[in-house]
Amino acid sequence: GAVVSQHPSRVICKSGTSVKIECRSLDFQATTMFWYRQFPKQSLMLMATSNEGSKATYEQGVEKDKFLINHASLTLSTLTVTSAHPEDSSFYICSARDPGTGFYEQYFGPGTRLTVT
Amino acid sequence: QKEVEQNSGPLSVPEGAIASLNCTYSDRGSQSFFWYRQYSGKSPELIMFIYSNGDKEDGRFTAQLNKASQYVSLLIRDSQPSDSATYLCAGQSAGYGGSQGNLIFGKGTKLSVKP
Repeated sequence: GAVVSQHPSRVICKSGTSVKIECRSLDFQATTMFWYRQFPKQSLMLMATSNEGSKATYEQGVEKDKFLINHASLTLSTLTVTSAHPEDSSFYICSARDPGTGFYEQYFGPGTRLTVT
Repeated sequence: QKEVEQNSGPLSVPEGAIASLNCTYSDRGSQSFFWYRQYSGKSPELIMFIYSNGDKEDGRFTAQLNKASQYVSLLIRDSQPSDSATYLCAGQSAGYGGSQGNLIFGKGTKLSVKP
């Protein structure tokens, strides 16, 4: 299957700082990427859908000014958590849709564990 | 509200048995369905997908789709302790515009395979 990378895998930051997470599709061009958040023992929560060259579509309740998404190329999307607070500590996972097969399957990156102190 | 429903479990089966994971969906327009496996602390991994009514086999895994009943299942034969994980079912949204093709995930079923 297709490969999606994510960087960093783990980050610890102080409250009030910003953190950028990168998501890359390594062997395919992803016109659409997705950002999810998952708290311990809870299910995946879709935060936003990112389309290359256009503004991201945010899910209800997700602050677009706090979670900045940029999908500048067909292989790279970034999520910036601005002015992070301890309640933003979570597991952030990106996924990319492989358009090649026409079946809309998504491949997930390995995730980024964010801890805000 | 389009939904994908799964029993949260945990589903416990002995090693070597068949594990049966079930999922129902509300969007009759959904065409493709996906099963992902998520180990604790890791991201989801695609196991297989199905888009035609009937069965699709891949190794020890068999996906079953019944569009009339809006039901999808995953059978794991000869279950191993390494299969212990949370299994996520997802349906492709038949929505319009930006949501078309997006996957709608169930909350997952936790499977435990006992040695």
